[in-house]
Amino acid sequence: GNSVTQMEGPVTLSEEAFLTINCTYTATGYPSLFWYVQYPGEGLQLLLKATKADDKGSNKGFEATYRKETTSFHLEKGSVQVSDSAVYFCALGTYGGSQGNLIFGKGTKLSVKP
Amino acid sequence: EADIYQTPRYLVIGTGKKITLECSQTMGHDKMYWYQQDPGMELHLIHYSYGVNSTEKGDLSSESTVSRIRTEHFPLTLESARPSHTSQYLCASSDEREAPSFSNEQFFGPGTRLTVL
Repeated sequence: GNSVTQMEGPVTLSEEAFLTINCTYTATGYPSLFWYVQYPGEGLQLLLKATKADDKGSNKGFEATYRKETTSFHLEKGSVQVSDSAVYFCALGTYGGSQGNLIFGKGTKLSVKP
Repeated sequence: EADIYQTPRYLVIGTGKKITLECSQTMGHDKMYWYQQDPGMELHLIHYSYGVNSTEKGDLSSESTVSRIRTEHFPLTLESARPSHTSQYLCASSDEREAPSFSNEQFFGPGTRLTVL
């Protein structure tokens, strides 16, 4: 079946450090891939997405590339800020019926210190 | 801007009470979802709906029930709340139409934090 494996946290970085959060997936067919972010006390917000192999999603300085050969969608940011402190979820979706539901990783908590 | 609303944002109630968590969206999405989020952050799908008069159970068994009488409204009800129901509940919706840009993207509400004493 479909699944998402995401790097466990928590991750603690200093401001301006480089961030990588690993995400790998198992899926039949051609899934879409997502990164969602959840700030304290809020719901999830879409951070970026990619719908086919080799697509790069980007937003707010974050990037992730859909790598079919390594079944990965790692999240990166070159220079994190304190305001990036949040929980990050990798997710996978395929079309149709219950397969249209997203499958989420367990979440990675990021804390950025000044 | 995604418009999906949840009320109340916070609720503290006693054991045995009946509660309804409200969720509404103004995007005309057919598909809606309820997730339970545990303190360890993991999301668990407890209910979803394909459209009006459709409700399905999710991956995690839940004592809650849902209804979908209108496209925009997807309330969740607990007939008799217990301390084990204490959690964060997140509602979401998505557009299931197939399109060149189709991507299953879900839009989330701000959540309801429920505490049962």
